[in-house]
Amino acid sequence: IAGITQAPTSQILAAGRRMTLRCTQDMRHNAMYWYRQDLGLGLRLIHYSNTAGTTGKGEVPDGYSVSRANTDDFPLTLASAVPSQTSVYFCASSDSTGATDTQYFGPGTRLTVL
Amino acid sequence: GQNIDQPTEMTATEGAIVQINCTYQTSGFNGLFWYQQHAGEAPTFLSYNVLDGLEEKGRFSSFLSRSKGYSYLLLKELQMKDSASYLCAVRDGDYKLSFGAGTTVTVRA
Repeated sequence: IAGITQAPTSQILAAGRRMTLRCTQDMRHNAMYWYRQDLGLGLRLIHYSNTAGTTGKGEVPDGYSVSRANTDDFPLTLASAVPSQTSVYFCASSDSTGATDTQYFGPGTRLTVL
Repeated sequence: GQNIDQPTEMTATEGAIVQINCTYQTSGFNGLFWYQQHAGEAPTFLSYNVLDGLEEKGRFSSFLSRSKGYSYLLLKELQMKDSASYLCAVRDGDYKLSFGAGTTVTVRA
């Protein structure tokens, strides 16, 4: 069972370039999430999707977009990367119909924008 | 926004007990989670509390007091592999998770 996979593992990107971070889960979870983690700030929610075909904005959505064409995939796109988007990005998923709706995290993508 | 506070760092000796406190102020409450995160890795789920009281799971226990906006994670019989960051997260009235900045626990031999 793979759980959640993310690609790439790490990336160095020039400012102004477009970048898509990929996230795929095989647990058939209905809900998926994107977080960024910065030193001293903890995990912050960027965007989320409660079910395929719907998305919502989290705490820090500016500069990012997402789509949810199917249950398994939830890509995160940076249209024009800026240095402040240097961070570690985690994708997560949960079964929001379950008793606890626990979120499970992918391995992360370390992104550096120069 | 949400306000979740936990200590930045704690150090303890192998075999000892450590208690990590978390206080929170959120708009609505639908559960509190503790995650463990080793350096360079993803957070992994440890415990969940939605009612007041203590939840025990092996060497780890988590306590919740909703009226006080307070939780703690208790780690017993500390092992070197317990050196990690511990994240407190609260699910608010909109069912969104807000995370504290994390507590880095260092276990010394």
